[in-house]
Amino acid sequence: QSVLIQTPSESGTPGQTVNISCSGSTSNIGSNAVSWYQQLPGTAPKVLMQSNNQRPSGVPDRFSGSQSGTSASLAIGGLQSEDEAVYYCATWDDSLNGWVFGGGTKLTVL
Amino acid sequence: EVQLVESGGGLIRPGGSLGLSCAASGFSVSSNFMTWVRQSPGKGLEWVSSIYSAGRAFYADSVKGRFTLSRDNSKNTVYLQMNSLRVEDTAVYYCARGFYDSSGNPFFKYWGQGTLVTVSS
Repeated sequence: QSVLIQTPSESGTPGQTVNISCSGSTSNIGSNAVSWYQQLPGTAPKVLMQSNNQRPSGVPDRFSGSQSGTSASLAIGGLQSEDEAVYYCATWDDSLNGWVFGGGTKLTVL
Repeated sequence: EVQLVESGGGLIRPGGSLGLSCAASGFSVSSNFMTWVRQSPGKGLEWVSSIYSAGRAFYADSVKGRFTLSRDNSKNTVYLQMNSLRVEDTAVYYCARGFYDSSGNPFFKYWGQGTLVTVSS
């Protein structure tokens, strides 16, 4: 069981908006910034969002992030087939003195 | 251009030892925090260990006392020495370069392609 809790799967049709949630606690999301990673099949993870809601250069503005209390979320608007991937949230945990990842959310574009 | 190239993976029997390397180019490992993240077959990402610029290393409880993270600044390479390996250590091991954004918040900006470690009898 991961420290950060994500819904195992989400789906949407092209053009829709999908929200992926990440639930934690005061020692992790409640205290530290969240980053999000996209992992396409057979590839290494790639950073999608830093500092809760900052997009690295090259990431389309269809992707947006937010954080409130002990939860964070990633929204993907204008869903495209190439968005099919597994998405992970991550942050530092002050109690564990280490990084924690969510279990991952597999996004399917129908 | 930033590159991270992992090596050293392979098949090892339970109880054995293996050393992984992560050769970096395009930046200095000594002035960044470097991290290993692993992914067991069909599973999610799991943080293993990080070493910060001051030299302090942190470990996941699952590997504490068995794995050691170090770096050689002259070779611009980080190493993960894995001892007393268990079947559950089987995974692709990714090396990642940590980065602090303008707000001072850390994240993993660059990732290598990973190296597979299989622990099996």
